[in-house]
Amino acid sequence: ETGVTQTPRHLVMGMTNKKSLKCEQHLGHNAMYWYKQSAKKPLELMFVYSLEERVENNSVPSRFSPECPNSSHLFLHLHTLQPEDSALYLCASSQELSGELFFGEGSRLTVL
Amino acid sequence: KQEVTQIPAALSVPEGENLVLNCSFTDSAIYNLQWFRQDPGKGLTSLLLIQSSQREQTSGRLNASLDKSSGRSTLYIAASQPGDSATYLCVLLGGSQGNLIFGKGTKLSVKP
Repeated sequence: ETGVTQTPRHLVMGMTNKKSLKCEQHLGHNAMYWYKQSAKKPLELMFVYSLEERVENNSVPSRFSPECPNSSHLFLHLHTLQPEDSALYLCASSQELSGELFFGEGSRLTVL
Repeated sequence: KQEVTQIPAALSVPEGENLVLNCSFTDSAIYNLQWFRQDPGKGLTSLLLIQSSQREQTSGRLNASLDKSSGRSTLYIAASQPGDSATYLCVLLGGSQGNLIFGKGTKLSVKP
């Protein structure tokens, strides 16, 4: 596989569930990102990791918990979400911070 | 605070027309600028990356320019085709903290 892969592509969960989104990049990049895309809003940067260290946490509620175990994998752990958290969650990677971004296809999350 | 504005928000043109999409920003201290297209419900596909020291980049029917002094980038699409219908987004890549700011996008519809 090449590029940035996100799983699952679609997820429906209740407000009390715990689930995780996974992102894997096969590009040898050192930086990875989580974005949230809601209807009629610009993409919102959530988290940035560089060399497995978090460098940005853009005032994201604690019910979203990122994890970057190595430079190729990024997770977003979800717990006690709200219906307004329903959105498309996009993962991206770049060779270095401020470098060219490559996106995955996204995980469409619906919170009931 | 850096702001990114994309005008127009939506554009409908007949097939074959040449068109220009605009992206303006308030702070010229950007690092790179990248243009993407996004098809409904999908991830972002990179079109062109313009590094801060460059003034334009070309790929096929696409040409992107960057004028930092005026705070503006344009994406020129020549001989538009129905397959070009998508939302086009510009993103500013800036700084050592991976500061990434997206515009809201221009939704393009090319009619056959």
